[in-house]
Amino acid sequence: DAKTTQPTSMDCAEGRAANLPCNHSTISGNEYVYWYRQIHSQGPQYIIHGLKNNETNEMASLIITEDRKSSTLILPHATLRDTAVYYCIVRVAENRDDKIIFGKGTRLHILP
Amino acid sequence: DAGVIQSPRHEVTEMGQEVTLRCKPISGHDYLFWYRQTMMRGLELLIYFNNNVPIDDSGMPEDRFSAKMPNASFSTLKIQPSEPRDSAVYFCASSKKRALSTDTQYFGPGTRLTVL
Repeated sequence: DAKTTQPTSMDCAEGRAANLPCNHSTISGNEYVYWYRQIHSQGPQYIIHGLKNNETNEMASLIITEDRKSSTLILPHATLRDTAVYYCIVRVAENRDDKIIFGKGTRLHILP
Repeated sequence: DAGVIQSPRHEVTEMGQEVTLRCKPISGHDYLFWYRQTMMRGLELLIYFNNNVPIDDSGMPEDRFSAKMPNASFSTLKIQPSEPRDSAVYFCASSKKRALSTDTQYFGPGTRLTVL
């Protein structure tokens, strides 16, 4: 049970902003939202994470709604190298150790 | 930093043979994870270690699978005997000591296993 819902696939034109939505309506108050991506034939790569405030780094921005039931990952200027599967993950806390549970993700195609 | 190192990158073996996958985590990382990825089941966590001690092996599919971490810089995942349904890409990942769920995992390039 990945606890998140994402569209199966999306297309975005090169140079445009790619906005990837994620629903996590059952998120708990102490759970973070993480985004990873997996480019073909490579291991998953960390992108960004947040708790309730919007976050930005050199790769992307993360917008979390006020009720924290959904979020959007924004790639501001998508390039062909951003074609990948993007995973939205809510951390599951058990005792002192957390596990990352990957769902199906969104397959993002950047179109030339 | 070389990142997480896995070997071999590709392994082709015959059913019934023993397979050993190897992983060297990033130096200084306290956690090590083994994942398996297939088209049907996606990315699954098999087992993870904290300071070389197995914490949760509930994802290990059956007794044919075993994992060890004899020291902080090396881990193995062994399948004995291997079966065709074990064919998958096996990823190793590592992360620093956890603090308020803010750590991130760094993945290796994976080992593509094919069991004939």
